[in-house]
Amino acid sequence: KAGVTQTPRYLIKTRGQQVTLSCSPISGHRSVSWYQQTPGQGLQFLFEYFSETQRNKGNFPGRFSGRQFSNSRSEMNVSTLELGDSALYLCASSLAGLAGGQETQYFGPGTRLLVL
Amino acid sequence: GENVEQHPSTLSVQEGDSAVIKCTYSDSASNYFPWYKQELGKRPQLIIDIRSNVGEKKDQRIAVTLNKTAKHFSLHITETQPEDSAVYFCAASGAGYSTLTFGKGTMLLVSP
Repeated sequence: KAGVTQTPRYLIKTRGQQVTLSCSPISGHRSVSWYQQTPGQGLQFLFEYFSETQRNKGNFPGRFSGRQFSNSRSEMNVSTLELGDSALYLCASSLAGLAGGQETQYFGPGTRLLVL
Repeated sequence: GENVEQHPSTLSVQEGDSAVIKCTYSDSASNYFPWYKQELGKRPQLIIDIRSNVGEKKDQRIAVTLNKTAKHFSLHITETQPEDSAVYFCAASGAGYSTLTFGKGTMLLVSP
């Protein structure tokens, strides 16, 4: 099976712009989670989608949003970019996203976003 | 919400030595504890995980122990090799769907 894929792999944007990142989960996986990774804060949970519904959201401002399509592919959007949004954005997929989170999450390679 | 503390932040060992990384968590409802290895420029890869109904789990040179009473869990790597050099993250997952709370990571350097 192909692993989790993310596009694009690298992005350079300027402050105030918006950006959309894409994640394709492993075939058959229905839960997609997004994380932001920075040197200072480590890996932080953004949100999780299952069957096109956001079930859980981390502590990020409303500029960060996402959605999931019927084929389980997911996108996240960041509007009005700030310098501090520069980070590696990782998505992870799991089979059914069971309550209690006891399923293995498989990570994609990430999208590295640089905001100038 | 859940909070995960991880120590040490850096760990240097000689090849063949053992390495131990420790994590504590705050939410007693957490019941799943994975460990991920991230090499430079690569995605985090699951190396081992443990669920709350188990106290210890081994996979070749890697083992994880869990103490639910004390709310801490540890990663043990024996006979370390240079290719074990990477950043290791512990995580905890509680009642929320597919939500992992990560520790800040441990950079492990294994010198030949």
